[in-house]
Formats: sequence, C-alpha cells, structure tokens
Amino acid sequence: EAQVTQNPRYLITVTGKKLTVTCSQNMNHEYMSWYRQDPGLGLRQIYYSMNVEVTDKGDVPEGYKVSRKEKRNFPLILESPSPNQTSLYFCASSFGPGHQETQYFGPGTRLLVL
Amino acid sequence: QKEVEQDPGPLSVPEGAIVSLNCTYSNSAFQYFMWYRQYSRKGPELLMYTYSSGNKEDGRFTAQVDKSSKYISLFIRDSQPSDSATYLCAVNTNAGKSTFGDGTTLTVKP
Repeated sequence: EAQVTQNPRYLITVTGKKLTVTCSQNMNHEYMSWYRQDPGLGLRQIYYSMNVEVTDKGDVPEGYKVSRKEKRNFPLILESPSPNQTSLYFCASSFGPGHQETQYFGPGTRLLVL
Repeated sequence: QKEVEQDPGPLSVPEGAIVSLNCTYSNSAFQYFMWYRQYSRKGPELLMYTYSSGNKEDGRFTAQVDKSSKYISLFIRDSQPSDSATYLCAVNTNAGKSTFGDGTTLTVKP
C-alpha cells in the first residue's frame, strides 16, 4: 500500500531536549516536504527536498534541520525545541512540484513542547 | 503581506447550494495551483490540481485559475453535508516551494 508514515504520532517533550520526527515513503518519490499547521492557519512549509542530498528552506525553517540521505526518508530534527514549536506537523511526498496528482500526506505528528 | 491570501470565512450554506472559495497570490513564480480539503484532525486531501489558466472540472468541483489576475477559485455545485470541511488553496513553484492559504471552513447544513 502506497503511504507516507510519520513517527511518532504524538509527542510531549520539554524545552531544549533534541528530538527527531521521522518521515518515510514507499513510492520512490523524489520530492518530500515538511509542513507545520497551527490553529487558524494553513500549512506552512518548513523544508523541502527535490531529491537525495538536495534540501531547501521553506517559509519557516528557523529552529529545524532536515537531511535526505536516502530517497525514502526525510527526518525533521529539532535540536533545541521551544514552546513556539508546539504544532501539528505533516510530511508529504510526490514525484515533484509538477506532479501534485501523485502527492501523499502523512498522518501528522502532534508535538507539544513544555 | 502574505504571498497567498484566502477568503477567511467561515462559510455556512444550505445543502444543494453552490459554494465559491477564493484565493489570490502575489508571486508570478507560482506555476501550480491546488485545492485541498481537510477534515478535522486529518491531513490535507488533494481535490484539484491545475497549472494553466482556465477551468478544470471534476464531478461537482470546478477549479478556476486566472494567472493574469493571480486569482484562483474553487466552486462546489450541489453541496452536501459531507463537503463540510476546511478548504485550503496552495501554490507551488517549479523549484518546490509550496505556499498555502489559511483555509476556509465550510459548513453545509442539511
């Protein structure tokens, strides 16, 4: 079954404790992207990757890191989480910006930073 | 100023009504135009996708893009209670940058 998986789905942590949210896809997609969604707001792009070893900043990259060492995985790293990073996070993948019909979203990761 | 502005709503209509949802964008670099539907506590679901000016129809849904005015719309005909959700417009560049509107919450009353 084609899917994007995210782990964990829910996480409560404390300020400053490094964490990683994993994202994995099984469709051989080149393009992967991370978004955060806050109440009353649409999705805001954090980072995206057009292919292995190619990553770029989205609109809200501060406080986040990513890596794309393998095609299927695109982890989101919060080196020193702060309360303003409390949010709902979505990972998505597709064959590229011009192939939105192939896009899949993960189920979301709900993060609370105390 | 936001790169994508979406009519905020919320919108409440009776069943069977025609719904019009609208967004404007400011950057000509955006080449791909999408509408997503999002149910509460779920991920976005792609409804419509287009890359050219004009209309694209899929069942009860029509996406309209006017690149000269930088205006995108989604029309829902014969709206149903199951259409009640938040609708998000989004635009992409060729390079992968993706920008969403803030969403419009639609309620269709039986």
